[in-house]
Amino acid sequence: DAKTTQPPSMDCAEGRAANLPCNHSTISGNEYVYWYRQIHSQGPQYIIHGLKNNETNEMASLIITEDRKSSTLILPHATLRDTAVYYCIVAGGTSYGKLTFGQGTILTVHP
Amino acid sequence: DTGVSQNPRHKITKRGQNVTFRCDPISEHNRLYWYRQTLGQGPEFLTYFQNEAQLEKSRLLSDRFSAERPKGSFSTLEIQRTEQGDSAMYLCASSLVPDRNYGYTFGSGTRLTVV
Repeated sequence: DAKTTQPPSMDCAEGRAANLPCNHSTISGNEYVYWYRQIHSQGPQYIIHGLKNNETNEMASLIITEDRKSSTLILPHATLRDTAVYYCIVAGGTSYGKLTFGQGTILTVHP
Repeated sequence: DTGVSQNPRHKITKRGQNVTFRCDPISEHNRLYWYRQTLGQGPEFLTYFQNEAQLEKSRLLSDRFSAERPKGSFSTLEIQRTEQGDSAMYLCASSLVPDRNYGYTFGSGTRLTVV
């Protein structure tokens, strides 16, 4: 699996957009970008994934650069409950197997 | 379906004892994964099953660890002769392949403390 690089921590004010970056410069053509988050003492929660087009769901938006070497997860209106560790993962194939988690980004949303 | 269920939530055991954890995946999911997570680290892959077949095992899964998924439903992870280094959160996840629309669904984990 390709490796990803994320900042160790970020802060965001409640109600503002949280933009979490991820570098994945060695991503290959059939690999997807996945985002998960983990709130303290819980298992990771799937957020969103994409291949090369931008994606949006009820939780977040995913912006992938044209060269696919980096991406940004956007939480449009962060709340205190969005405080968590956010993991950016690259995995591929038509039926992906294991996900390799890195250290992630600790996002702290302040009142 | 209430999601992925793991039991017990917490387990304290003495060094050298055997422990077994259970994971009940989402019923229609054909893949089941086990991960281990220590404090401050991301989850580390241990093994995964497709139906009842164990398809991959990490080198982290020493010969003291064994996982089974009889009949392709629930799974058990057994650790024999536990060591203090086995203290961690053990996470189970399931997914439906090839439907990747919803990613993995993780359980809340079993926290193991070896004293």
